[in-house]
Amino acid sequence: DVKVTQSSRYLVKRTGEKVFLECVQDMDHENMFWYRQDPGLGLRLIYFSYDVKMKEKGDIPEGYSVSREKKERFSLILESASTNQTSMYLCASSPLRPLGPLHFGNGTRLTVT
Amino acid sequence: AQTVTQSQPEMSVQEAETVTLSCTYDTSESDYYLFWYKQPPSRQMILVIRQEAYKQQNATENRFSVNFQKAAKSFSLKISDSQLGDAAMYFCAYRNPGPFGANSKLTFGKGITLSVRP
Repeated sequence: DVKVTQSSRYLVKRTGEKVFLECVQDMDHENMFWYRQDPGLGLRLIYFSYDVKMKEKGDIPEGYSVSREKKERFSLILESASTNQTSMYLCASSPLRPLGPLHFGNGTRLTVT
Repeated sequence: AQTVTQSQPEMSVQEAETVTLSCTYDTSESDYYLFWYKQPPSRQMILVIRQEAYKQQNATENRFSVNFQKAAKSFSLKISDSQLGDAAMYFCAYRNPGPFGANSKLTFGKGITLSVRP
């Protein structure tokens, strides 16, 4: 089974802090994604990557950056956390071929106070 | 850009009964993929069922089946013999066929919360 592991299940940070959310997958998938989930808004794509050191903006990239130095690891960075970034963050991965569904981690619930 | 609409925020079903969750989408593509994901309180997103647009036959997975109407851009999920463990949030999602870049991402609806009454 594909395993996508997010380093923290719950995280509490202060406004202005730099925050790192880490995601690791063990199936050698090329594609990796960061989504944000908010009530009534569903899942919205922040950033994705289809290769090491490659990244593309999703629908809501403002206030976020990402890093993919190794194929298995995809990090989401909040340069200066703000209260409106309090949310559930979901990491996902998928192979390049065959094209199929995304495999998700368990999510990180981030609270910024 | 593709959009996915789930207009019902909540639904309820009696245990052992059948329930249908609605989803519509908008795309100019002729080939694409559609998915239903389940998210229980554990927060783990679980793939329930998938449908390739080029296949006319509706996908089924045990008690779960879809009604895929390509012309109407409709993709509803039917859960038969509902069980207490089916209680969760359900998301409809769309994906373009290309593996690279923007074509590899999923676009999600806002989700629907399904409760199952014992």
